[in-house]
Amino acid sequence: NAGVTQTPKFQVLKTGQSMTLQCAQDMNHNSMYWYRQDPGMGLRLIYYSASEGTTDKGEVPNGYNVSRLNKREFSLRLESAAPSQTSVYFCANADGSWGEQYFGPGTRLTVT
Amino acid sequence: EDQVTQSPEALRLQEGESSSLNCSYTVSGLRGLFWYRQDPGKGPEFLFTLYSAGEEKEKERLKATLTKKESFLHITAPKPEDSATYLCAVQSTSGTYKYIFGTGTRLKVLA
Repeated sequence: NAGVTQTPKFQVLKTGQSMTLQCAQDMNHNSMYWYRQDPGMGLRLIYYSASEGTTDKGEVPNGYNVSRLNKREFSLRLESAAPSQTSVYFCANADGSWGEQYFGPGTRLTVT
Repeated sequence: EDQVTQSPEALRLQEGESSSLNCSYTVSGLRGLFWYRQDPGKGPEFLFTLYSAGEEKEKERLKATLTKKESFLHITAPKPEDSATYLCAVQSTSGTYKYIFGTGTRLKVLA
């Protein structure tokens, strides 16, 4: 079992370009999350999804959109990338509304 | 405001030199406290969940403890392979689906 997978592993964008980060899980967990990790700031929640078809904003949602079309997949879209979105992005899941989370390997994004 | 503070930011130990990492937290009500290990270039890996003061969990050389204000991750006789960043996170009873993470402690164990 792969657990939580993310694609791509690395991406370089120019300011204003768009892209979608993909996340998939094979753990049959209901809730999924997108975080960004920046030096000295810890993990910050961008969006989360309690279940298929539902999404909600986290701490830093501006500039991002998400889509949870089915239980397995949760994608994060940057419509118009900005240098401030340079970061490492992690997808995670959890069995319910609380409890331990399981993280993917991350996507390292650079916006120039 | 819910808050998590980890100390020290970085720690260097000799192999076999035991020590503790600290996670201080402020939440309106604690639903759970979580410890993760993160290796460079990887995602956090779940280690422990603690739910109430006095609870302890152990795994190999690691032992996590919890009080009403803080948690400790004790590392006994560490080995170089224990080198990683250790993250602490809390979930409050008022924050369903939301976790507050600390900034981590970078541990380096020298052979």
